[in-house]
Amino acid sequence: GEQVEQRPPHLSVPEGDSAVIICTYTDSATAYFYWYKQEPGAGLQLLMSVFSNVDRKEEQGLTVLLNKKDKQLSLNLTAAHPGDSAVYFCAVSENNNNRIFFGDGTQLVVKP
Amino acid sequence: ETAVFQTPNYHVTQVGNEVSFNCKQTLGHDTMYWYKQDSKKLLKIMFSYNNKQLIVNETVPRRFSPQSSDKAHLNLRIKSVEPEDSAVYLCASSYWGGQNTLYFGAGTRLSVL
Repeated sequence: GEQVEQRPPHLSVPEGDSAVIICTYTDSATAYFYWYKQEPGAGLQLLMSVFSNVDRKEEQGLTVLLNKKDKQLSLNLTAAHPGDSAVYFCAVSENNNNRIFFGDGTQLVVKP
Repeated sequence: ETAVFQTPNYHVTQVGNEVSFNCKQTLGHDTMYWYKQDSKKLLKIMFSYNNKQLIVNETVPRRFSPQSSDKAHLNLRIKSVEPEDSAVYLCASSYWGGQNTLYFGAGTRLSVL
């Protein structure tokens, strides 16, 4: 079955720096890719989703890169600010399959 | 804007008691889920329902039982709670199949004393 590994588990960056979180997956049939953000005391909030035909997607200071050859998905927060401090999760799913697989999460701290 | 509603937000109880958590979604989705999130933030799928039918029942102790009255509601009952049941229980919903983006509720934090 699908295995998703997410790294790093913890990440601390100064305000204004970029933060990069990487996930690797194992199943080449994986078709959909997601990044979620979880703030303290809240549920998971969808940040971005991409389909497998997209290599790069940018939205509001976030960049998602998809490397299908290496089965790697990354999230880059450019110019991070303290409000970005949260736990970030990647998730993947196959086409026409309702199984969704989550990474173990990355606790991001952005220091003022 | 929250469209998956969970109640209660918090619940403290003692070992052996029964608890029930409610979840309602107003997104028109046909599939709902319960996830357990432990103290290390790890997410584990417990159940998923599609149009009131149980689709996924991961290895979950039998004291956990989901209940769905319609596709917009999925409740979770725990008979005789154990200390290891202390966690955050997250409800989510989606459309079935394809790009099934999950939308989550804010969670119910259970503390078992």
